Amino acid sequence: DQQVKQNSPSLSVQEGRISILNCDYTNSMFDYFLWYKKYPAEGPTFLISISSIKDKNEDGRFTVFLNKSAKHLSLHIVPSQPGDSAVYFCAASEGGSARQLTFGSGTQLTVLP
Amino acid sequence: GAGVSQTPSNKVTEKGKYVELRCDPISGHTALYWYRQSLGQGPEFLIYFQGTGAADDSGLPNDRFFAVRPEGSVSTLKIQRTERGDSAVYLCASRGQTNTGELFFGEGSRLTVL
Repeated sequence: DQQVKQNSPSLSVQEGRISILNCDYTNSMFDYFLWYKKYPAEGPTFLISISSIKDKNEDGRFTVFLNKSAKHLSLHIVPSQPGDSAVYFCAASEGGSARQLTFGSGTQLTVLP
Repeated sequence: GAGVSQTPSNKVTEKGKYVELRCDPISGHTALYWYRQSLGQGPEFLIYFQGTGAADDSGLPNDRFFAVRPEGSVSTLKIQRTERGDSAVYLCASRGQTNTGELFFGEGSRLTVL
């Protein structure tokens, strides 16, 4: 049973437009959420996180939105750049940030020049 | 180096053989994690060390899998009697004293069991 779900395996967006990546979770005990980016043959790299006490966190071109009632979070990238093309993983943990992360299956983002 | 280092980067072995995968975390990071990533899936948690002890090994799939971190730094993931289903990328990550929950991942060890 997947506790973190990314239902879109791929997404293509034109350069300069907004990319919106979605993630749903089922475990109501999750209280910390992260997004990771992964290029081929590299390990995942941390992008942005959000605690369940917030509903929005912004860092430059990246914004994460959390809707606890819907158990849904999304990552917005604006404006999208070709270098953003990668696999994006949503991850969640319970009991604070020290615990192990549960990952979604990822979404391949392709930003077209 | 400054990042998490994993060796070997690629390992091809035959079914039934024993395999060791090594992880050298970022210096000073006390928490170390092992994950496994199969094709088309996200990383799947295996085991978490805090210092020398395994704080959570609930993700290890069976008793063929074992991991150690004897001095609280380098860790070795050991797989006995490998099976074709063990083929995956094994990722190691470490975390320092931060409240962001950020894990720093290595590039992974790709294991292929023939």
